[in-house]
Amino acid sequence: DIQMTQSPSSLSASVGDRVTITCRASQSIADSLNWYQQKPGKAPRLLIYSASSLQNGVPSRFSGGGSGTDFTLTINSLRPDDFAIYHCQQTHSPPFTFGPGTKVDI
Amino acid sequence: QVQLRESGPELVKASETLSLTCDVSGYSMTSGSYWVWIRQPPGKGLEWIGNIYHTGSTYYNPSLRGRVTISADTSKNQFSLNLNSAAAADTAVYYCAKEGAVAGNWVDPWGQGILVTVSS
Repeated sequence: DIQMTQSPSSLSASVGDRVTITCRASQSIADSLNWYQQKPGKAPRLLIYSASSLQNGVPSRFSGGGSGTDFTLTINSLRPDDFAIYHCQQTHSPPFTFGPGTKVDI
Repeated sequence: QVQLRESGPELVKASETLSLTCDVSGYSMTSGSYWVWIRQPPGKGLEWIGNIYHTGSTYYNPSLRGRVTISADTSKNQFSLNLNSAAAADTAVYYCAKEGAVAGNWVDPWGQGILVTVSS
């Protein structure tokens, strides 16, 4: 299986900050990397697919980048609604594994 | 738009079979796409359990060691999860969701999730 890691595991930030989360795959996955946002008690929500494509309806302050083994999720100008857990997922080879998540809090 | 909803027993006894159903609305399963089960133990990360294509072909996470079966009833526009020999470690929120029309697509949308507790 492809192992996914994320860093940091948690971070504290303020409204208006720029935040970057890193996701690393144990082997090359090209651009088969997705990002999800999850709020307490809710299902995850797709933010970014294929490493850098913004899902319909997702604010443009979210952006994704990277390819191969190293990927980033950047949130520009953090808003109160963005405090959540962020998960990455590889869909290069099944089983389609997730990273452990990064918690963004105030 | 596509909506999914999980249903089934929220309490399962250890060693018995955990069975869940996902009702799909707003999209005909026979139109294509992969359909997936994902779970999340309390306070932990997400685990991809397996998926089924509308033709019935499946892929399961090897970590579940042959305990899992995913099936579909396209006449009812639903798909199901059976997990045999349930144990406390299977306690989790179980999500059903839609993957894309092509293998390796992203997961969207998701059902609301159902918390299943396995008790001894």
